[in-house]
Amino acid sequence: GAGVSQTPSNKVTEKGKYVELRCDPISGHTALYWYRQSLGQGPEFLIYFQGTGAADDSGLPNDRFFAVRPEGSVSTLKIQRTERGDSAVYLCASSIRTSGGALSTDTQYFGPGTRLTVL
Amino acid sequence: DQQVKQNSPSLSVQEGRISILNCDYTNSMFDYFLWYKKYPAEGPTFLISISSIKDKNEDGRFTVFLNKSAKHLSLHIVPSQPGDSAVYFCAAGIEYGNKLVFGAGTILRVKS
Repeated sequence: GAGVSQTPSNKVTEKGKYVELRCDPISGHTALYWYRQSLGQGPEFLIYFQGTGAADDSGLPNDRFFAVRPEGSVSTLKIQRTERGDSAVYLCASSIRTSGGALSTDTQYFGPGTRLTVL
Repeated sequence: DQQVKQNSPSLSVQEGRISILNCDYTNSMFDYFLWYKKYPAEGPTFLISISSIKDKNEDGRFTVFLNKSAKHLSLHIVPSQPGDSAVYFCAAGIEYGNKLVFGAGTILRVKS
């Protein structure tokens, strides 16, 4: 597809369960970002990948959250032992930004998000 | 600690008039600012940006103004159209940093 896609669009799970959220970036985009948007808030940075490596994971709230991008394209956000407070829309964005590139050259294209509900 | 604040949760404007959305930031290290627009069930879409070396950037009906001394930026939409009705997010970052910090958003309603 032409844009960033995310699956599933909605995920309902029970407290304590494990979930995986997938992001397919725009083809050729080397940079990939995950954000979390809670109700009434703006997107909150979680992690930034440059190629296959996590260049900045300082936004991950705790060690229950983990993300991978093994081939430098698709990324998976993994949440272990989910809690009700993890309920949010998880957004993925990609860009052509290269390592060391400036934000002003880095238009981030967002996917529609995955709405996660933890019961 | 909210580093980027949008103090107006919503704004209602008549079609054809000017919409002014405001944003304040606290981190003086920020040197790059953006506005994103979001429709329901879609991801945010980039609208316009400004670097701290400028105080104004214009793109068609959209103009962003930056007042560094006041740590304030605003987005002007002239003339406003019903299709502009959306949530608008202000975001800020450091040019060679890795993350954008977003405000909570302002819901704009343009009435026809």
